[in-house]
Amino acid sequence: GAVVSQHPSRVICKSGTSVKIECRSLDFQATTMFWYRQFPKQSLMLMATSNEGSKATYEQGVEKDKFLINHASLTLSTLTVTSAHPEDSSFYICSALGQGKNYGYTFGSGTRLTVV
Amino acid sequence: AQKITQTQPGMFVQEKEAVTLDCTYDTSDQSYGLFWYKQPSSGEMIFLIYQGSYDEQNATEGRYSLNFQKARKSANLVISASQLGDSAMYFCAMREGGNQGGKLIFGQGTELSVKP
Repeated sequence: GAVVSQHPSRVICKSGTSVKIECRSLDFQATTMFWYRQFPKQSLMLMATSNEGSKATYEQGVEKDKFLINHASLTLSTLTVTSAHPEDSSFYICSALGQGKNYGYTFGSGTRLTVV
Repeated sequence: AQKITQTQPGMFVQEKEAVTLDCTYDTSDQSYGLFWYKQPSSGEMIFLIYQGSYDEQNATEGRYSLNFQKARKSANLVISASQLGDSAMYFCAMREGGNQGGKLIFGQGTELSVKP
């Protein structure tokens, strides 16, 4: 139990286009979803926290108009990188908060975004 | 503000030997949770072990144990009988807010290499 499906696993997009990343909790309801960004060999940096049915809370320094987060249902949260640029190339990973194993935190498998 | 520090960017260990990965934290909360995750090159986050601030005994999970020294604010991970498959990035994390469901903040990570 407690699986989060994250898609796509890899995506390459052209500069200026938008990319949507989905995280779906398959067997539990995720009231809260955390979105992280990770550069190679670095830590996971929290970008935002989203709660179902309400606006996301962004960490300081994260552009909310660039990284759009939608948490419209208890099983689906999406992160859209708008007008992507090469500096947005990174590893993005979600973590869903729900009951059960791992003391409530279930991570998706991550999305490697490359902007060319 | 809460902070997690991992001072070992990289560590080497001989196969079958034990290794300790350091983690110190800073928080003013009385109630908090400490986590260790393994991140192989695939990027997935694998939960290893958890220690609650009120847990009197050190947590253990198979070959993993957590050396929790509350007064020193340290939560070192000990891996016994290292295996080649243990080569990965290891992250220490703390649950913020002192309650169930707070966001996780991560340390910088330690890259562990197991030598045959």
